[in-house]
Amino acid sequence: DTAVSQTPKYLVTQMGNDKSIKCEQNLGHDTMYWYKQDSKKFLKIMFSYNNKELIINETVPNRFSPKSPDKAHLNLHINSLELGDSAVYFCASSQDSATFTNTQYFGPGTRLTVL
Amino acid sequence: EDQVTQSPEALRLQEGESSSLNCSYTVSGLRGLFWYRQDPGKGPEFLFTLYSAGEEKEKERLKATLTKKESFLHITAPKPEDSATYLCAVQAPSGGSYIPTFGRGTSLIVHP
Repeated sequence: DTAVSQTPKYLVTQMGNDKSIKCEQNLGHDTMYWYKQDSKKFLKIMFSYNNKELIINETVPNRFSPKSPDKAHLNLHINSLELGDSAVYFCASSQDSATFTNTQYFGPGTRLTVL
Repeated sequence: EDQVTQSPEALRLQEGESSSLNCSYTVSGLRGLFWYRQDPGKGPEFLFTLYSAGEEKEKERLKATLTKKESFLHITAPKPEDSATYLCAVQAPSGGSYIPTFGRGTSLIVHP
């Protein structure tokens, strides 16, 4: 059973398009995250939701909008894609970000390429 | 500003050649230091969490240690399957939550 799944695994699109990435976790966790990993492998947090409520919103262009329909799902919608958005996007979940025993479980990643 | 620095950036070892990876950090109110392993094309996979200076944890050929300023990931007699990028993350309270900050990782290659 896949704990944290993401779709699609690869996404190739043109500049200016709008795209979405979906994430689902079956671990029963309360907190979900979106991370961006650049070409130098630096993993940087973008958003965090705890029980469908946004708790972390790092300095990310407002073209990026997360949506959490329920605590098992966290989707990422990106408007007006730019070349600099090309990266690998990881979804993750943890039991509860309000506790410090906050081990994160990551999805397989979505490699986004903007042409 | 909180900072996590990992060294070396890349490390090549011969099979059986033991070594250590370093993660140094500056963070106020550390509440956990995590080590993850990331294989190419995959998401990071949890290895260890350390909470206080002096703590050690082991798993197979890996042993993680923590001081007040840094953590080491010791790899004893590595095998080619240990080749991966090893990520360190530190966690501190922020607005009622605990959100980790990752280092840039150490890319380890173990040659047979």
